[in-house]
Amino acid sequence: AQSVSQHNHHVILSEAASLELGCNYSYGGTVNLFWYVQYPGQHLQLLLKYFSGDPLVKGIKGFEAEFIKSKFSFNLRKPSVQWSDTAEYFCAVNARSDYKLSFGAGTTVTVRA
Amino acid sequence: DAGVIQSPRHEVTEMGQEVTLRCKPISGHNSLFWYRQTMMRGLELLIYFNNNVPIDDSGMPEDRFSAKMPNASFSTLKIQPSEPRDSAVYFCASSFRGVNTGELFFGEGSRLTVL
Repeated sequence: AQSVSQHNHHVILSEAASLELGCNYSYGGTVNLFWYVQYPGQHLQLLLKYFSGDPLVKGIKGFEAEFIKSKFSFNLRKPSVQWSDTAEYFCAVNARSDYKLSFGAGTTVTVRA
Repeated sequence: DAGVIQSPRHEVTEMGQEVTLRCKPISGHNSLFWYRQTMMRGLELLIYFNNNVPIDDSGMPEDRFSAKMPNASFSTLKIQPSEPRDSAVYFCASSFRGVNTGELFFGEGSRLTVL
């Protein structure tokens, strides 16, 4: 079974700062990769996904993620955050042949105005 | 298009009472998941249905929890009897299982408080 590790539990930064959240997974086979965002009091929403092709994936709200297969990583980035990006971010992985989506523990991002 | 619909959004009940949470998945989706989210344990998968059939219920905490999916457009998660440690947000999610599976669409969640 695959597992997902998110490096940071809580990140605090100022508006306009750059954001990078780390995500590593453990699974030797082909995977699908996702980043979900959960705004305070809301449900999880998909930010971006990777199935195949260009390893640099662009999502909504200016977010992007890069899949580095050799490092088993799928890090999330945003060049300039806004106060409205305050949320919890979850990395998720599933094996291409599997239904089960494994979630990381989540990273809480607080953006100070 | 309506997303995943859950009810109730909030439920406050007393220990020992029966709780029933409801979910309507997105039309056309053939997979349904129940998750529980707490501060301590994060997101936990409770049970997974595919084509209305329970495929994996290994995440169901104990016999007090049960889930059904009588048809493609409705599922319930029942806790009987409820306990304070069941307090959590319960999310239902649906997806279409096919090539490139895994993208889940989540409902707004049901926040359960057991006193």
